[in-house]
Amino acid sequence: NAGVTQTPKFQVLKTGQSMTLQCAQDMNHNSMYWYRQDPGMGLRLIYYSASEGTTDKGEVPNGYNVSRLNKREFSLRLESAAPSQTSVYFCASSPSIDGLYEQYFGPGTRLTVT
Amino acid sequence: AQSVAQPEDQVNVAEGNPLTVKCTYSVSGNPYLFWYVQYPNRGLQFLLKYITGDNLVKGSYGFEAEFNKSQTSFHLKKPSALVSDSALYFCAVRLRNTGFQKLVFGTGTRLLVSP
Repeated sequence: NAGVTQTPKFQVLKTGQSMTLQCAQDMNHNSMYWYRQDPGMGLRLIYYSASEGTTDKGEVPNGYNVSRLNKREFSLRLESAAPSQTSVYFCASSPSIDGLYEQYFGPGTRLTVT
Repeated sequence: AQSVAQPEDQVNVAEGNPLTVKCTYSVSGNPYLFWYVQYPNRGLQFLLKYITGDNLVKGSYGFEAEFNKSQTSFHLKKPSALVSDSALYFCAVRLRNTGFQKLVFGTGTRLLVSP
């Protein structure tokens, strides 16, 4: 099992450019999440998908969109990148949304917006 | 609002000594509590969790944590630190039985174990 995979690992964008971060999990988990990690701020939830076909906003959704393509894949799109979106992005998955289970994290995407 | 605090940005300990990484939480109901570890350039890895039951929870790599309801704490401990334990540790909390609520992470504590 690969667990949770993310592509790309690194990306540099210019302000205003768009890109999609890809995430896939092979653990048959129902729930998937996107977080951003910034120094001194821990992890903040951007969007989540409780189950296939549903998505909801998290703590910091502005400037982002998501797609739960199928049970395995959950992508994060930046339509018009801004320097404030420079961060490390993590995708995670868990068997269910009810909080009983731990989340499994991907290796992250380091994004720099200039 | 629920929150979690990790009061120490960094903890330094010598190899072989016991270590403690502190976490306190603030929730209005009964919490689920988690510890995760992040090694350099890696995603977070689950260490242990408290859901219910015994207040002393044992987890991966010899770590344990004690749930203390009166002090609203969930400190991570290990009897004998290893240099390989050096990493960034995150405490997280969410409410129980309230539908989906986000997992709230602390700001992280960097553990440095010296040889």
